[in-house]
Amino acid sequence: EIVLTQSPDFQSVTPKEKVTITCRASQSIGSSLHWYQQKPDQSPKLLIKYASQSFSGVPSRFSGSGSGTDFTLTINSLEAEDAATYYCHQSSSLPITFGQGTRLEIK
Amino acid sequence: QVQLQESGPGLVKPSQTLSLTCTVSGGSISSGGYYWSWIRQHPGKGLEWIGYIYYSGSTYYNPSLKSRVTISVDTSKNQFSLKLSSVTAADTAVYYCAREEQWLVDYWGQGTLVTVSS
Repeated sequence: EIVLTQSPDFQSVTPKEKVTITCRASQSIGSSLHWYQQKPDQSPKLLIKYASQSFSGVPSRFSGSGSGTDFTLTINSLEAEDAATYYCHQSSSLPITFGQGTRLEIK
Repeated sequence: QVQLQESGPGLVKPSQTLSLTCTVSGGSISSGGYYWSWIRQHPGKGLEWIGYIYYSGSTYYNPSLKSRVTISVDTSKNQFSLKLSSVTAADTAVYYCAREEQWLVDYWGQGTLVTVSS
């Protein structure tokens, strides 16, 4: 199975800051990498699909890039409501897998 | 917009079978084009994909759970179900049902906590 490794595991940031979260795949997955946001006691919400495509209704401050094995989620001008855990997910091969998560704390 | 809702017992005894049902609204399972899946999240931990079913009944299970998992579909009720046998405390988790488009999980249910305890 494909292993996804996110970094960092935790980040504490201030509002309006720019945040970058990375996801590395154990083998090439093309652009079949997606990003989710999960707030406490909620289910994950899709933010970015196929590495760089914004999902419907997602604020424009969220963007994604990358291909092959290395991917990045960028949050521009961070807002307090962005405090959450972020997960990457690959749909290149079964079983589908997720990264371990990156918890974002807003100072 | 499709909505998914999990239902089932919140407490299961060790060695018994965990059974959950997902009711889909805002879209028909039998229309095809999507896979219907189960995903779990251990308390405070990451996400583990359990498996999926297509409206035709074809399934794929995560090899790590394959020997204990059965996913079935009832298109007449627009529902699909999960059975996980021989549960232990390690199966305590929030269980989500979800929709997959070409294996991309795009919509999730709200999740239901299942605790395995005597």
